[in-house]
Amino acid sequence: AQTVTQSQPEMSVQEAETVTLSCTYDTSESDYYLFWYKQPPSRQMILVIRQEAYKQQNATENRFSVNFQKAAKSFSLKISDSQLGDAAMYFCAYRRLYSGGGADGLTFGKGTHLIIQP
Amino acid sequence: DTAVSQTPKYLVTQMGNDKSIKCEQNLGHDTMYWYKQDSKKFLKIMFSYNNKELIINETVPNRFSPKSPDKAHLNLHINSLELGDSAVYFCASKYGGTDTGELFFGEGSRLTVL
Repeated sequence: AQTVTQSQPEMSVQEAETVTLSCTYDTSESDYYLFWYKQPPSRQMILVIRQEAYKQQNATENRFSVNFQKAAKSFSLKISDSQLGDAAMYFCAYRRLYSGGGADGLTFGKGTHLIIQP
Repeated sequence: DTAVSQTPKYLVTQMGNDKSIKCEQNLGHDTMYWYKQDSKKFLKIMFSYNNKELIINETVPNRFSPKSPDKAHLNLHINSLELGDSAVYFCASKYGGTDTGELFFGEGSRLTVL
């Protein structure tokens, strides 16, 4: 079974600085997706960034980027120029890639609570 | 226009009662899920449906019964509610064809059992 581990229950960063959230995972599959979801106090689950395992290039979305190390099974999220609105729970998630779709859900890590200090 | 909507958003009830949470998605997806988020924020899959057919049924008490009347709806009925059922329940969906992997989540339904 796949597992996702987030070893930092809580992180704190000063506004405008950079923070990196860690995630490791365990799988025997070679094709899969990795995600970072954000859950602000509103409770909504918001996709931050997605990485396909077959792509060597690290995904970026504006101030958010990942460091994907497939051999090490590591998938960290870097948030640059942190803003107050970035304060939230951040979940790392894994999903196997199916060529024909598939109904597997996401396997989530336990989350990292990110605090932004003004 | 909400993509995945759940009702009710909040539900407070007594132990032993039966309650339902409804989910609807207007994204044209054909796979839908129920997740449970416990008090420690851990998210765990409960069920998945593909084209109204149950695909995943994790170790969940049989007091929980999902029902999918059509591809756009997935409801969760809970019988004989217990204190441990207090949680936030999320509905999610994805397209079963060209798979981008991403799940789209509803806003969650917070269930409190007293």
